[in-house]
Amino acid sequence: GENVEQHPSTLSVQEGDSAVIKCTYSDSASNYFPWYKQELGKGPQLIIDIRSNVGEKKDQRIAVTLNKTAKHFSLHITETQPEDSAVYFCAAKARIGSQGNLIFGKGTKLSVKP
Amino acid sequence: NAGVTQTPKFQVLKTGQSMTLQCAQDMNHNSMYWYRQDPGMGLRLIYYSASEGTTDKGEVPNGYNVSRLNKREFSLRLESAAPSQTSVYFCASMVGVGETQYFGPGTRLLVL
Repeated sequence: GENVEQHPSTLSVQEGDSAVIKCTYSDSASNYFPWYKQELGKGPQLIIDIRSNVGEKKDQRIAVTLNKTAKHFSLHITETQPEDSAVYFCAAKARIGSQGNLIFGKGTKLSVKP
Repeated sequence: NAGVTQTPKFQVLKTGQSMTLQCAQDMNHNSMYWYRQDPGMGLRLIYYSASEGTTDKGEVPNGYNVSRLNKREFSLRLESAAPSQTSVYFCASMVGVGETQYFGPGTRLLVL
């Protein structure tokens, strides 16, 4: 089945710097890759996603890139702000039965220092 | 539009006690999911329901049962709670296969 590896597990940056979180997946048939942000005491919230027919997607300060050949995708946050501090999860669409459920990475705790 | 709601928010159980975690969504989504989140383990799928009337096991189903009561509601039951089931439980829903999952606020469960 699908396996998703996420690195680093913790990341500390200075306000205004960029942050990059990387994920690799194992199932070459996976075609949907969302990123979730989880603030303390809350449920994960989708921040951006990408499908396998696209190599890059941007939304203001957030971008995601996908390399299907290497089976890895990355989250890029530019001009980081203290409110970006949270745990970020990547995920890949799996093939459990025929339902296409998501398999999540173990998360990256991002700390943005003012 | 409340999205995905979960009750209770926090619960303490003794080993061997039973309880049901409730989840409801008002977005008319077909698929619903139960995950558990443990430190350093990310989100692991317990059970899911692709549509009303169907349920399937996920990665870590042992010790749990689920009921898809109707399209809106999906409950998770612990028949005999164990300390290993201490975790944060999240319910999620999705409109169709491969689309965005929307998560509830979570239930924090402590089993003593």
